[in-house]
Amino acid sequence: KAGVTQTPRYLIKTRGQQVTLSCSPISGHRSVSWYQQTPGQGLQFLFEYFSETQRNKGNFPGRFSGRQFSNSRSEMNVSTLELGDSALYLCASSTPGTVYEQYFGPGTRLTVT
Amino acid sequence: AQSVTQLDSQVPVFEEAPVELRCNYSSSVSVYLFWYVQYPNQGLQLLLKYLSGSTLVKSINGFEAEFNKSQTSFHLRKPSVHISDTAEYFCAVSPTNTGNQFYFGTGTSLTVIP
Repeated sequence: KAGVTQTPRYLIKTRGQQVTLSCSPISGHRSVSWYQQTPGQGLQFLFEYFSETQRNKGNFPGRFSGRQFSNSRSEMNVSTLELGDSALYLCASSTPGTVYEQYFGPGTRLTVT
Repeated sequence: AQSVTQLDSQVPVFEEAPVELRCNYSSSVSVYLFWYVQYPNQGLQLLLKYLSGSTLVKSINGFEAEFNKSQTSFHLRKPSVHISDTAEYFCAVSPTNTGNQFYFGTGTSLTVIP
């Protein structure tokens, strides 16, 4: 099976812009989670989608949003970008029956200037 | 609420020496425990997990971790490290009653010195 794919891999944006990141889970996986990884904070949970519904949400401002499509692909959007949003954004997919074992994509490196 | 503490941000160790990466967690509910490894420019890969049963779990590449409920710890060990073990290691917990929500530590950077 193909692994989790994320596009784009690298992105440079300026403050105030918005950005959309995409994640394609492993075939058959219906849960997609998003994380923000920064050197100082480690991995912080953003949200999880399952069957097109947001099931869990982390402690991030409303500028961070996401959605999931019927084919389980997911997108996350960050509006009004701030310098502090520069990070590696990781997507992980999983399927019930594996005790929520998550498979991570390579991430999208977002740089906000 | 859950939190994970990895006590060492960086651990340098000589090749073929033993290593222990420490992980402590805090949770008001039962949790599953995980160790993930991240190689440069890659995503995270599951190294090993504790779900139930034997408190000592092992990976295929020689790592092992022991769940200690009284000390709320899940330290990762390897008796003899290789250069290829150089990576970032993350400890994580997932509450057993909330579905697919993981809480990660801030990571430990393991550098194996030739």
